[in-house]
Amino acid sequence: QLQLQESGPGLVKPSETLSLTCTVSGGSISSNSYYWGWIRQPPEKGLEWIGSIYYSGNTYYNPSLKSRVTISVDTSKNRFSLKLSSVTAADTAVYYCARLPLYDSSGYYPEGLVYFDYWGQGTLVTVSS
Amino acid sequence: DIQMTQSPSSLSASVGDTVTITCRASQGITNYLAWYQQKPGKVPKLLIYAASTLQSGVPSRFSGGGSGTDFTLTISSLQPEDVATYYCQKYNRAPITFGQGTRLEIQ
Repeated sequence: QLQLQESGPGLVKPSETLSLTCTVSGGSISSNSYYWGWIRQPPEKGLEWIGSIYYSGNTYYNPSLKSRVTISVDTSKNRFSLKLSSVTAADTAVYYCARLPLYDSSGYYPEGLVYFDYWGQGTLVTVSS
Repeated sequence: DIQMTQSPSSLSASVGDTVTITCRASQGITNYLAWYQQKPGKVPKLLIYAASTLQSGVPSRFSGGGSGTDFTLTISSLQPEDVATYYCQKYNRAPITFGQGTRLEIQ
């Protein structure tokens, strides 16, 4: 059974860098059938896609966050990571990692711009001094 | 960017009812639309992809329809466990974006 688990500090100071890791178990992050992504949800608000990565390191970022976001992958440890720089209170949110399938009954999505079929439990990150 | 607008923002219905949630895209997205269910305090769960394909394990009382700019999520025979916020998500091209959500309550 595939599992994704987010980890990282729950409290980050304003202007600092938020760093989270998503460890994948029950499946290989090096599969050529999936992208892996980050989504966030501010308290009592909706969902926002942050970005996605392929095991090769190819990435897509939300333009609204692109200047502050870096997503990387470590295939040897079966995990991928998120860094978000210069955080403010507006970055306070539950951060989810998730899997994006490149294939489904409708076809093939080589760019990994697709939906999220497995999610981690999420981790709340609060930005506060 | 393509905007996704859901309606209504919230609704209340009775057990056994059929409810329909609408998602409208500001530009055509063919059928590149997914629906998620997020129960209170829980992780979003994929219900439907490609506008109308039911994800494995999802009850058949959930159905999706539409193409182009207008899409629907229909829940038949509403159950108490269907209390949740429902989100649509488009994925035809970057950026991936979600609707603002529709909160469903049981009367």
